[in-house]
Amino acid sequence: NAGVTQTPKFRVLKTGQSMTLLCAQDMNHEYMYWYRQDPGMGLRLIHYSVGEGTTAKGEVPDGYNVSRLKKQNFLLGLESAAPSQTSVYFCASSGAGGVNEQFFGPGTRLTVL
Amino acid sequence: DQQVKQNSPSLSVQEGRISILNCDYTNSMFDYFLWYKKYPAEGPTFLISISSIKDKNEDGRFTVFLNKSAKHLSLHIVPSQPGDSAVYFCAASEDDYKLSFGAGTTVTVRA
Repeated sequence: NAGVTQTPKFRVLKTGQSMTLLCAQDMNHEYMYWYRQDPGMGLRLIHYSVGEGTTAKGEVPDGYNVSRLKKQNFLLGLESAAPSQTSVYFCASSGAGGVNEQFFGPGTRLTVL
Repeated sequence: DQQVKQNSPSLSVQEGRISILNCDYTNSMFDYFLWYKKYPAEGPTFLISISSIKDKNEDGRFTVFLNKSAKHLSLHIVPSQPGDSAVYFCAASEDDYKLSFGAGTTVTVRA
């Protein structure tokens, strides 16, 4: 069981470039989430999904898009990267039916120059 | 505006003593609270949780206390060990899945 994995671990982009972060989970979880972590801000929810083919906006969705074409994968896209998107990005997943703990991936450190 | 606040960015404690981490929240609809622990270069991992119908939950060295009237919860670690040095995040939920996180408290356990 790998749990939640994220690809890539590190990335440096130039302003205006695009990229996709991949999250995969092997726990058959229904719910998946993308967070960003910035100093002094904790983790803030970007987008989330409550099932295959569904996505919804979180607290800070601007500048990001997501897709959940397969239950085990949740993709986060940046169409035109900005320096304000420099952050550490965490993916998480959880089961359905009541409050369940979220399981987190190891994170992707993204720098936008 | 942050609905979950951890007002102490850091805490230093001697090994063997008690660590007390505090968390305040503003949203009265929160009904489930969790603590996560995070080591550098790793993702957060679940530590302990408490439902709003309880005021205390204990798991080994970790105890979480909830005071709903004050909208306050705390995490006690007794005794503190060097491996407890990490960032601790308080989180809350009102809808059974989405979480709102505090900014975190960095705990350093001194030998």
